[in-house]
Amino acid sequence: KAGVTQTPRYLIKTRGQQVTLSCSPISGHRSVSWYQQTPGQGLQFLFEYFSETQRNKGNFPGRFSGRQFSNSRSEMNVSTLELGDSALYLCASSFGGRETQYFGPGTRLLVL
Amino acid sequence: SQELEQSPQSLIVQEGKNLTINCTSSKTLYGLYWYKQKYGEGLIFLMMLQKGGEEKSHEKITAKLDEKKQQSSLHITASQPSHAGIYLCGADEDKIIFGKGTRLHILP
Repeated sequence: KAGVTQTPRYLIKTRGQQVTLSCSPISGHRSVSWYQQTPGQGLQFLFEYFSETQRNKGNFPGRFSGRQFSNSRSEMNVSTLELGDSALYLCASSFGGRETQYFGPGTRLLVL
Repeated sequence: SQELEQSPQSLIVQEGKNLTINCTSSKTLYGLYWYKQKYGEGLIFLMMLQKGGEEKSHEKITAKLDEKKQQSSLHITASQPSHAGIYLCGADEDKIIFGKGTRLHILP
């Protein structure tokens, strides 16, 4: 069974731009969660989607948004990028959210 | 809100030695996950513990959850270079939260 895939793997943007990251969960998984990982803050929860609905949200500004499609694929968008948004963005999928989460390889975003 | 503290923050051990990583919670743990991360990559699921006193093993890695369900330890026996990476504990609250991780280096 294929694992969680994320595209793109690497991305370089400049301040003020916006970016969209994509996550394809494991087949059959309906929950997708997004995390931001930085050296200073560690792994921080962004939001979780289940059956196309945002079920939970972390403490991030409104510039961070996401959505989930009917096939459970998810995208997250960051608008008006700031230097501090440089991070590894990880998505994880599970069947229903409370089971073990399986992580993708991440998208490394560099904001210049 | 719940916080997870991991210790030590980093660890350097000689290949073949045993080591232990700890994860302490500010609240009772109802689900405790251990993940391993190779530098700059995704997390690999290791184990999940739910019951007080529970212990699970996978190859040379053993994880325990104490009776009070506020502390977990991860023990590696006879460490190998393949064990190097960042070990993260995660707790199941209304969302999963993670500790800051323990960086493990193995010296050949």
